[in-house]
Amino acid sequence: KNEVEQSPQNLTAQEGEFITINCSYSVGISALHWLQQHPGGGIVSLFMLSSGKKKHGRLIATINIQEKHSSLHITASHPRDSAVYICAVRDNSGGSNYKLTFGKGTLLTVNP
Amino acid sequence: KAGVTQTPRYLIKTRGQQVTLSCSPISGHRSVSWYQQTPGQGLQFLFEYFSETQRNKGNFPGRFSGRQFSNSRSEMNVSTLELGDSALYLCASSLGTGPVSYEQYFGPGTRLTVT
Repeated sequence: KNEVEQSPQNLTAQEGEFITINCSYSVGISALHWLQQHPGGGIVSLFMLSSGKKKHGRLIATINIQEKHSSLHITASHPRDSAVYICAVRDNSGGSNYKLTFGKGTLLTVNP
Repeated sequence: KAGVTQTPRYLIKTRGQQVTLSCSPISGHRSVSWYQQTPGQGLQFLFEYFSETQRNKGNFPGRFSGRQFSNSRSEMNVSTLELGDSALYLCASSLGTGPVSYEQYFGPGTRLTVT
């Protein structure tokens, strides 16, 4: 079982729809990151959170530490939101060996 | 501020050769991490350097190594290349390291193809 599980793997939406991507993890963490990767490879950090909720424009990220679960929401989705969204956790369960462990990513396609 | 830069952007090598990739972090960032991304395995952590010392290491064979210089620039080296080393290699810089998590700023990556 992967330490970080994302769902769904693929998501197709119509412009304007509300999008939710989920991330569950099984290890102790110090923080969770949501990343966006467009075709061509470039990765952008969207959020880093260790508790509660953060909002940036149309994007909202929440985390429930007790349930080991995070969600990324996109309101009023737009074709430019089409990308792979990756959840990553900073694993602090291995003593001092802190490292990022990644989910497999969610491919989001927003059609006009 | 300039972003994270990686050179070269594309590289084609033959099995058995070695390769060195370079990463220049954002000015003021002292931590550099390296990641490998493949279609099958996704993103995987290779290692992290901070103040010229390797602080963390992922589960990769000893053929993968790296170093960091006093100006925080980092290089990673892969010796005796295998076909399975074909991947996108990404570096990311951050202000610090340790139990507190810092935001990671990713470079554009180096696309390595091993033939």
